[in-house]
Amino acid sequence: GAVVSQHPSRVICKSGTSVKIECRSLDFQATTMFWYRQFPKKSLMLMATSNEGSKATYEQGVEKDKFLINHASLTLSTLTVTSAHPEDSSFYICSARPIAGVWETQYFGPGTRLLVL
Amino acid sequence: AQTVTQSQPEMSVQEAETVTLSCTYDTSESDYYLFWYKQPPSRQMILVIRQEAYKQQNATENRFSVNFQKAAKSFSLKISDSQLGDAAMYFCAYRSASFGNEKLTFGTGTRLTIIP
Repeated sequence: GAVVSQHPSRVICKSGTSVKIECRSLDFQATTMFWYRQFPKKSLMLMATSNEGSKATYEQGVEKDKFLINHASLTLSTLTVTSAHPEDSSFYICSARPIAGVWETQYFGPGTRLLVL
Repeated sequence: AQTVTQSQPEMSVQEAETVTLSCTYDTSESDYYLFWYKQPPSRQMILVIRQEAYKQQNATENRFSVNFQKAAKSFSLKISDSQLGDAAMYFCAYRSASFGNEKLTFGTGTRLTIIP
C-alpha cells in the first residue's frame, strides 16, 4: 500500500520550453502533496506544499511563477516548470500524505529527472 | 526552526554485521515525529521506520530499530544482519506534530556501503 507514482521518470527538453510532471497517489487519497528538488549527492529540498483545492504554499526562494503547481484532485498533483533553463536541470521528487491511516507520514514517488539543454 | 544533523557522511559494514547510523535534531517542540528514509541507487525514497515522540518505546521494523533519546534529541538507526540490499543513502527526518505544519526537515544523509 501507499504507492505514489510520477510521470515522466525522465525528460529532456530544450531551453525555453515548459515541462509538466505528474504525481499520483495510486491507492490512497491525499489532500496534501509535496514537491522536492534534489541535487546530486545532496538532501531533499522542499519546494512547495500542494493542497487539493487551494493554492500551493511555496518555500522561500522558490519562484511560484516558474514552478506552477496544481493539485487537481485527491490523487493528482502536477508541477510545471515554465520556460525551463539549464539551471532547472535536477531530480524532482513528489510525496503524498494520506488523509486516513498513517496520516503523519509522507510517501514518495520515484522521482523525475529533468535535463534542460 | 528545526534542524537535523547526520554527522556521518559515509559508513560501511560487513555483510551480516550490525551498523548504527546517527542522527541528532534540534527543536523546541515536545510533540513531533521522526523518520528514517532509505534512498537506494534507484533514488526512490523508501520509509524505513517511524517514531512518535510521545512514545517511549523504541520503534522496530524487522532488522531495523531505533534508539530514541528524547532528552538528548538523538534518533539513531540500527540495522542488524546487514544485507547487500541495505546499501543506500539513509536520511533522518523530522516532522512537527502541530496541525498545519507538515514539512519534513531532512538531514544531509549517510551513505551506507555493505561489504560482501
